[in-house]
Amino acid sequence: DQQVKQNSPSLSVQEGRISILNCDYTNSMFDYFLWYKKYPAEGPTFLISISSIKDKNEDGRFTVFLNKSAKHLSLHIVPSQPGDSAVYFCAAGPFYNDMRFGAGTRLTVKP
Amino acid sequence: GAGVSQSPSNKVTEKGKDVELRCDPISGHTALYWYRQSLGQGLEFLIYFQGNSAPDKSGLPSDRFSAERTGGSVSTLTIQRTQQEDSAVYLCASSATNSPLHFGNGTRLTVT
Repeated sequence: DQQVKQNSPSLSVQEGRISILNCDYTNSMFDYFLWYKKYPAEGPTFLISISSIKDKNEDGRFTVFLNKSAKHLSLHIVPSQPGDSAVYFCAAGPFYNDMRFGAGTRLTVKP
Repeated sequence: GAGVSQSPSNKVTEKGKDVELRCDPISGHTALYWYRQSLGQGLEFLIYFQGNSAPDKSGLPSDRFSAERTGGSVSTLTIQRTQQEDSAVYLCASSATNSPLHFGNGTRLTVT
């Protein structure tokens, strides 16, 4: 029962360009959407979130876009830096304490 | 340290043995979660503790898995009679009310 899907297991981008990571969900009752970033041998760390009352949230180089009608969200990183290379997890749920996670997308930013 | 602490960081065990994984949440966080990540998979929810309420055990894959949280703080995840399919990274997270989860670095469990 994959309620949150990240269909691209990997993405490679040149330093300085934009990285776009995508996520789809199936449950229209989901109101909270988060992105986590994970380095090897570390736990995921919270990156940015958005609630269903918004369609965009920006924090520095990171912007999350939400399209509720399409049940789709995306994370934009611009400009991408080599230190952004990590696995990015999308999470969605009706509450913060009831989140479903995607399988992750491995981002590689090439110098 | 102010983060979520998990121990051990790595555990290798023989099939059929029991294992205990420990989690120290961030002080003051009322919610505690256990997830696991198998190779190439996303984060699979296992169990959730909130304050003094009965835990949400809906994600536990079998009755070989159990968890407890003593005194509203430290939690132990126990896996009895381990199987090879239990091999995964077990992640603990804690959170304040209506806030994002803070994860520990996980315990990598290998069942041989």
